[in-house]
Amino acid sequence: ETGVTQSPTHLIKTRGQQVTLRCSSQSGHNTVSWYQQALGQGPQFIFQYYREEENGRGNFPPRFSGLQFPNYSSELNVNALELDDSALYLCASRPARGGKTQYFGPGTRLLVL
Amino acid sequence: QKEVEQDPGPLSVPEGAIVSLNCTYSNSAFQYFMWYRQYSRKGPELLMYTYSSGNKEDGRFTAQVDKSSKYISLFIRDSQPSDSATYLCAMSLKAAGNKLTFGGGTRVLVKP
Repeated sequence: ETGVTQSPTHLIKTRGQQVTLRCSSQSGHNTVSWYQQALGQGPQFIFQYYREEENGRGNFPPRFSGLQFPNYSSELNVNALELDDSALYLCASRPARGGKTQYFGPGTRLLVL
Repeated sequence: QKEVEQDPGPLSVPEGAIVSLNCTYSNSAFQYFMWYRQYSRKGPELLMYTYSSGNKEDGRFTAQVDKSSKYISLFIRDSQPSDSATYLCAMSLKAAGNKLTFGGGTRVLVKP
């Protein structure tokens, strides 16, 4: 177990709706990244937060937004959902000290109908 | 063309065989190279982490990086049915805690 948890595990939404996905990482992990993994594909970097500030963004539109909180939790918000947003959304966190790697949570599987 | 290319498989091998996986990449600025294992319905789990060119061994796993050819490999010796999973290569420009660029993953099946 990586100590990174995500909720919910599964979610079904309809096109045009908004969704909020949540991630909780370990104490001392001050960097969190979000990735989108479409079926049969590798994860794609959405954005990264460091000390509650966005610290890098991939090729995703502004309707993908995020927040990081002081208690090591974070959120991914997606507005105006599209069918192509159906994917596994992964959260990954990195320790503040000795942080060579990122630890991934189990993901939230989102289905947009 | 994707930055990181990986054969999707599936790669089917008998138990005990050596599994050979590889990725090619186009961005010569990548410095850190990783291999993740992902079981169905789970998040990726880090297997190997290497910096720059060379070999690294950890138990049954050996990772190789050839920066001159922009080619990385992962070898799994004495494969077990529990090694059946999707293997993802990933790389980053800076430390491994920053943005990771993944390959598409190779599905591996180890048959008893």
